[in-house]
Amino acid sequence: NAGVTQTPKFQVLKTGQSMTLQCAQDMNHNSMYWYRQDPGMGLRLIYYSASEGTTDKGEVPNGYNVSRLNKREFSLRLESAAPSQTSVYFCASRLRDGGIYGYTFGSGTRLTVV
Amino acid sequence: AQSVTQLDSQVPVFEEAPVELRCNYSSSVSVYLFWYVQYPNQGLQLLLKYLSGSTLVESINGFEAEFNKSQTSFHLRKPSVHISDTAEYFCAVSDQSGGSYIPTFGRGTSLIVHP
Repeated sequence: NAGVTQTPKFQVLKTGQSMTLQCAQDMNHNSMYWYRQDPGMGLRLIYYSASEGTTDKGEVPNGYNVSRLNKREFSLRLESAAPSQTSVYFCASRLRDGGIYGYTFGSGTRLTVV
Repeated sequence: AQSVTQLDSQVPVFEEAPVELRCNYSSSVSVYLFWYVQYPNQGLQLLLKYLSGSTLVESINGFEAEFNKSQTSFHLRKPSVHISDTAEYFCAVSDQSGGSYIPTFGRGTSLIVHP
């Protein structure tokens, strides 16, 4: 089925370990986004890529890096995981970075840092 | 910067009863409004959106939302809920703050439908 695919679905890390969350979309969307969801906090934007070749910081970028590998793929890297990064991470895409376009979300990666 | 307030963190309701989930946003010249639904252990799905035109918009599963510019609100309603409507609902607003149309999300309202 067409959509946004995130891997892995679950991950447990030790403090200080690194990992990369993968995201791929097959809808030919130009814009891709990474959010984190924490209880009572809603969704907070970490980084986004308005188009292939560009990336920008969102509301909570500290401790993360991103790579827009090609039009389909947008990865999120935690270089040195901290317990504060325990969260559910969602990748989303939309046709363009414009206000009229809604998001398509992946099913999420549940990350626990111990 | 845009702000979005979902006034209720949790709304319990009995099956077949009507429900309203409230969403207010800070004023802006031009906004685009969205409601997303998140079922347990899933990602968010777009439920409905207001871009322009008629202030009342509907979804395929019986929800509707009304854009009220004077009240800066975009409340979500359903006349008769089902158990399957139990989910988290997020209101989101886009405007051109700072030259970007990145939407701002509310903190979510958990709709709990009891039999």
